[in-house]
Amino acid sequence: EAGVTQFPSHSVIEKGQTVTLRCDPISGHDNLYWYRRVMGKEIKFLLHFVKESKQDESGMPNNRFLAERTGGTYSTLKVQPAELEDSGVYFCASSVLGRSSYEQYFGPGTRLTVT
Amino acid sequence: AQSVAQPEDQVNVAEGNPLTVKCTYSVSGNPYLFWYVQYPNRGLQFLLKYITGDNLVKGSYGFEAEFNKSQTSFHLKKPSALVSDSALYFCAVRDGHTDKLIFGTGTRLQVFP
Repeated sequence: EAGVTQFPSHSVIEKGQTVTLRCDPISGHDNLYWYRRVMGKEIKFLLHFVKESKQDESGMPNNRFLAERTGGTYSTLKVQPAELEDSGVYFCASSVLGRSSYEQYFGPGTRLTVT
Repeated sequence: AQSVAQPEDQVNVAEGNPLTVKCTYSVSGNPYLFWYVQYPNRGLQFLLKYITGDNLVKGSYGFEAEFNKSQTSFHLKKPSALVSDSALYFCAVRDGHTDKLIFGTGTRLQVFP
């Protein structure tokens, strides 16, 4: 079974530019989550999709961040325009809907550097 | 507010010695607790979880964790450390009202030969 994949693994952009991160969850996982770790700090929740619907987007920092999950499969996270403080590692995770274990499976992350 | 604390930024231990990585939590309701590990250039890998039942939970790679309700702790342990255990370890708790995980800041474990 393929794990959660994320693309790109690394992105370096200038302040003011746009970047789009992609996440492919494990096949059959209806729950999809985005998290972010800023240098040396805790991993923070950004948002949660159930299939194509946003279940919880309370962690999205501001309206420069836009997440989509068309068709309930892969998801994209767009940052436009990027700011210096957006630098960090963005993780995607997925899990099976309705399971009581709540275990989430994480991808390798995308390291975003805004200069 | 729900939170997780990992009081040690780094833990150093000699190979073959027991190791402990500390975690305390604050959550409303019953805690669902997790440990994840991140090896260099890799994603977060699930190690173990506590949902209910025995307070001592066994997980991958010989790791175990002890749930202590009175001390609100969920320390990660291993009887005999390996150099290959060197990595970044994260403790997490499931938010009592949603599915999201709340993480600690992580503890870097360094095992010396």
